[in-house]
Amino acid sequence: EADIYQTPRYLVIGTGKKITLECSQTMGHDKMYWYQQDPGMELHLIHYSYGVNSTEKGDLSSESTVSRIRTEHFPLTLESARPSHTSQYLCASIGLTVNTEAFFGQGTRLTVV
Amino acid sequence: AQSVAQPEDQVNVAEGNPLTVKCTYSVSGNPYLFWYVQYPNRGLQFLLKYITGDNLVKGSYGFEAEFNKSQTSFHLKKPSALVSDSALYFCAVRADTGRRALTFGSGTRLQVQP
Repeated sequence: EADIYQTPRYLVIGTGKKITLECSQTMGHDKMYWYQQDPGMELHLIHYSYGVNSTEKGDLSSESTVSRIRTEHFPLTLESARPSHTSQYLCASIGLTVNTEAFFGQGTRLTVV
Repeated sequence: AQSVAQPEDQVNVAEGNPLTVKCTYSVSGNPYLFWYVQYPNRGLQFLLKYITGDNLVKGSYGFEAEFNKSQTSFHLKKPSALVSDSALYFCAVRADTGRRALTFGSGTRLQVQP
């Protein structure tokens, strides 16, 4: 079982609210990722990090921001939630070994009303 | 740039029959290929991977996949499907350098009928 955790699992929030989705891993992995999964189920990379104090935008433009102050923690923040942000957000991490697979959290299903 | 194509949105098979879920990829350099499964309201679970070596790789729950370099394919297979295999399956590729982020296919929904 992968040691990567996301909270909350489900979140319903009103438009304009600020939210932070938490992601933590206990495997000491340097590389971490956030994916957005749309209703059509496709997965799109929105943020990634090579390590502490490193964050980069992914392939899909997102209004969210991320931070990486500690190796194990990679939170995602939306300053002002909108209905268009309704989606499932998946966090992942990968170790240093080149042939290792990525481990995924259980996901956060966000609904903005 | 790297990409993955899963040409079938849905695959239907009867329980006990063999199943195949198709995947083709494009990547610069050596491909690292993966299959993941997703059950409703859950994250992605790793099934198997191809890094190097034998073209036929075996994974969890009786699944296997065949790597074909000339056809740039990595099809997922299982000799005998179970109803409990019904889920969403994703093929993914990443390069062996750089950000090492996975690029996913669009997913294939597998429906196994009793």
